Amino acid sequence: DAGVTQSPTHLIKTRGQQVTLRCSPKSGHDTVSWYQQALGQGPQFIFQYYEEEERQRGNFPDRFSGHQFPNYSSELNVNALLLGDSALYLCASSPDGGLQETQYFGPGTRLLVL
Amino acid sequence: GEDVEQSLFLSVREGDSSVINCTYTDSSSTYLYWYKQEPGAGLQLLTYIFSNMDMKQDQRLTVLLNKKDKHLSLRIADTQTGDSAIYFCAESISDYKLSFGAGTTVTVRA
Repeated sequence: DAGVTQSPTHLIKTRGQQVTLRCSPKSGHDTVSWYQQALGQGPQFIFQYYEEEERQRGNFPDRFSGHQFPNYSSELNVNALLLGDSALYLCASSPDGGLQETQYFGPGTRLLVL
Repeated sequence: GEDVEQSLFLSVREGDSSVINCTYTDSSSTYLYWYKQEPGAGLQLLTYIFSNMDMKQDQRLTVLLNKKDKHLSLRIADTQTGDSAIYFCAESISDYKLSFGAGTTVTVRA
């Protein structure tokens, strides 16, 4: 049983560019959340997708957007990249439309903005 | 992670017990979690505790919850070199998101 998978593993972009990160949830999970983890900090909640809609959003600007597909996979898009967007982006999945007891994380995509 | 606080560093001798402490602020949190992150890796769920429990034990891991003081701790018995990592405490904020602390870096010395 595959866990949460993310692609790519690493990415280098320049300021002003746009980036798309991808996530496939654990089998049987229908809810996907995205987190940003800056160096030396804990993960910060960006938003959560359920039934192909954004259900709740953290304190992130509109440059951060996402999408969920009918197969429950998800994309995170970041426009007009800033140096401060450099971070590890983590995707997490959970079952049955909610957090419940457990939220499983993928290995992350490490984004470097130059 | 501004609502969850953890000490930043812990050094422990191999074979001793490690205790990592955390304080949280949301008294309505349903679940509290401990995650482990090794260098260059994502987060691994270690254990979690439901808010109506005081203690949970899982092999070498013991979680203690003091709801009155909003204090959570993780004890690792017989700490091994493979336990060297960053440990994150997290609380559930509604059903939708986790709020994390900044992480405690545990270093196991021989």
